[in-house]
Amino acid sequence: EPEVTQTPSHQVTQMGQEVILRCVPISNHLYFYWYRQILGQKVEFLVSFYNNEISEKSEIFDDQFSVERPDGSNFTLKIRSTKLEDSAMYFCASISREAGSPLHFGNGTRLTVT
Amino acid sequence: RKEVEQDPGPFNVPEGATVAFNCTYSNSASQSFFWYRQDCRKEPKLLMSVYSSGNEDGRFTAQLNRASQYISLLIRDSKLSDSATYLCVVQRGSTLGRLYFGRGTQLTVWP
Repeated sequence: EPEVTQTPSHQVTQMGQEVILRCVPISNHLYFYWYRQILGQKVEFLVSFYNNEISEKSEIFDDQFSVERPDGSNFTLKIRSTKLEDSAMYFCASISREAGSPLHFGNGTRLTVT
Repeated sequence: RKEVEQDPGPFNVPEGATVAFNCTYSNSASQSFFWYRQDCRKEPKLLMSVYSSGNEDGRFTAQLNRASQYISLLIRDSKLSDSATYLCVVQRGSTLGRLYFGRGTQLTVWP
C-alpha cells in the first residue's frame, strides 16, 4: 500500500533556528495537509494545500510558518524561527479526489526545540 | 466550547469485554464523522467512518445522533491489540476540509 513518508523522524533544534520538515505524499494525491500534536494534547490542523496554494489555514499557522511544494513530489513545512512551544509531532497527510477515499497520514516528525 | 469532546478515559478492560466510547461535537454544520485509532507516538489511522444510520465493521459499531450531536463507538470482544487511543474526529463541509480531533480516549485491554 502506498504511504506518505516524512523525514526526518526526529529533529532537534535550538530556539530561534529555522527548520524544514519534509513530506512525500502519495503520488496521485492532490490535496496535502499538515497537522501537529503537542505531547498529551489533541491533533490540530495547521494548513491545507492544493494546486500550489494554501486552501485553508488555522490560527496556529502564523507568519512563522510556510509551506511549499518545491517539485512534483515533496511537500515541506518551514518554521522560520522556532519557539519552545513549537515542540510537537508534525504529521503530513494527503488525500486523493476520489469520493470516499481516506486521508493518509505520514508517520510524523517529532520536533524538539531546546 | 471545544469543537470535539470525548470521554477522557483511561479505560482498562479485560480481553473479551465490551467497551463504549462517547463523543460530542459542538458545530451543527459538521457533516462527516470518523473514529481514528492512534498508537503511542504514531500517526492517527482511520478506524471507520460514521454514518447517520449507524454502521458496523466486525467487532466495531459506530453510531451518530445528529440531533444530540453525539457519536459513539462500541468495541465488542476486546483484543489485546485493541489497546490504543481512540480519536473522535469531525469534518465540516467538503470531504477535503480540515479535520477536528478530540483529545482521544485511551483504552488498555489486559489479558
